[in-house]
Amino acid sequence: AQSVTQLDSHVSVSEGTPVLLRCNYSSSYSPSLFWYVQHPNKGLQLLLKYTSAATLVKGINGFEAEFKKSETSFHLTKPSAHMSDAAEYFCVVSADLDSSYTGIFGSGTRLLVRP
Amino acid sequence: DGGITQSPKYLFRKEGQNVTLSCEQNLNHDAMYWYRQDPGQGLRLIYYSQIVNDFQKGDIAEGYSVSREKKESFPLTVTSAQKNPTAFYLCASKGNLHGYTFGSGTRLTVV
Repeated sequence: AQSVTQLDSHVSVSEGTPVLLRCNYSSSYSPSLFWYVQHPNKGLQLLLKYTSAATLVKGINGFEAEFKKSETSFHLTKPSAHMSDAAEYFCVVSADLDSSYTGIFGSGTRLLVRP
Repeated sequence: DGGITQSPKYLFRKEGQNVTLSCEQNLNHDAMYWYRQDPGQGLRLIYYSQIVNDFQKGDIAEGYSVSREKKESFPLTVTSAQKNPTAFYLCASKGNLHGYTFGSGTRLTVV
C-alpha cells in the first residue's frame, strides 16, 4: 500500500528566504515520487521527479528535492523564494514512472510569499 | 459512485483525421483538465476549464480543441494539426474541498 502526507497545508515565507515543503510517503516497494505545482486558475505542472537514479533531484524554477529512504521523505526546497512561487504544491507517490496520475496525491501545500 | 469516465480506452486514428476524446464527470466539480502523458514524462497540461462555457489553453494546446457546454462534460478534439498525437490522454477534475480525480485515460495511436 502507498500513502503520502504533506505535513503543512500552508507555508508562508518572505521573498528571498528559503522554502521548505515537506512530504512523507509510505510504499511497499521502491516508489517513483513527483512534485507538481499548480498556480491559481492553472493546471498541474511537473516540477521534478525521483526515479532512483539520484537521491537529489533538481527541477525547474530552482526547486530541488532529496529522497531520503531512511526517513521516507521527499521534501521540496528552494534557496530563495520569489513572488511567482506562490502556488499550491502537490507531492505524489506512484508505483510507476509513467503513471503518476494513478499515484497517490498529497493534500497539497499552499505556499504564500510575502514581499 | 462519483467519478470521471473517459472513453474510449484505446483509439486509433489515421493521419489527417480529427478525433474526439470523451470525458464525463458526476462529481459536481467546476474545474476540469486535459493532460497528456508521454513515456517517462510527467503530465503536461493541454486545456483546462474553471467553469462552464469557459476554457483556457495550457502549455501544449496547439493542435487541440475543447468545449465546455455542460458542467459534466469536457471533450477534447485532437486535430490533424497536432504533429505528434500518439500519447496517453488524461482527463481530471478538481473540487474545492478535495484533490484531483483522474479518469482512466485514453491511449491514442496514429496509424
